Amino acid sequence: QQQVKQSPQSLIVQKGGISIINCAYENTAFDYFPWYQQFPGKGPALLIAIRPDVSEKKEGRFTISFNKSAKQFSLHIMDSQPGDSATYFCPGGGADGLTFGKGTHLIIQP
Amino acid sequence: DSGVTQTPKHLITATGQRVTLRCSPRSGDLSVYWYQQSLDQGLQFLIQYYNGEERAKGNILERFSAQQFPDLHSELNLSSLELGDSALYFCASSVEGYGATNEKLFFGSGTQLSVL
Repeated sequence: QQQVKQSPQSLIVQKGGISIINCAYENTAFDYFPWYQQFPGKGPALLIAIRPDVSEKKEGRFTISFNKSAKQFSLHIMDSQPGDSATYFCPGGGADGLTFGKGTHLIIQP
Repeated sequence: DSGVTQTPKHLITATGQRVTLRCSPRSGDLSVYWYQQSLDQGLQFLIQYYNGEERAKGNILERFSAQQFPDLHSELNLSSLELGDSALYFCASSVEGYGATNEKLFFGSGTQLSVL
């Protein structure tokens, strides 16, 4: 079974700070590196994603960075806000890369 | 609104019973994925269908089964329910069925199953 290693499992950041979440993968055949965001009681929703032909993509306060040689990608949330408090997932686990795992529980303190 | 519809939103049942969860994918999406979410296991992949055919199987118990119908809606059947089956069950859909590491998935709002 392939693994995706997401870290940290939980993160507390002060309002206005930078939140950083990492995802390390094994399968080099992946062609799409997304971060999903889930609020309590809701389904996950795509936040931002990157293809392996670029190293960085920015959408507002959210930036995704991709390091092909290290086989990892990261989510940076600039000027973190209480509304960013959620669980963040990257996929890639399991035999088909379809499992998301436990995610990162992010709490932004006012 | 993702465009993926799941019913019912909540389901309370007893151990040993059987339930059916329903999912209507986003218009135009041919693939449906079922996930189980619990606090200790996270978001676990159960099974995937593409245009009516099973495409991938994850950690789905033998007591669970699913199918995708000609109109592309899908049903997840859970039988001989146990306390440990209590969880949130999500359905997701995508256009081409290549999975979350190849394309965008659209998730429904889930069915909360409580087995008492």
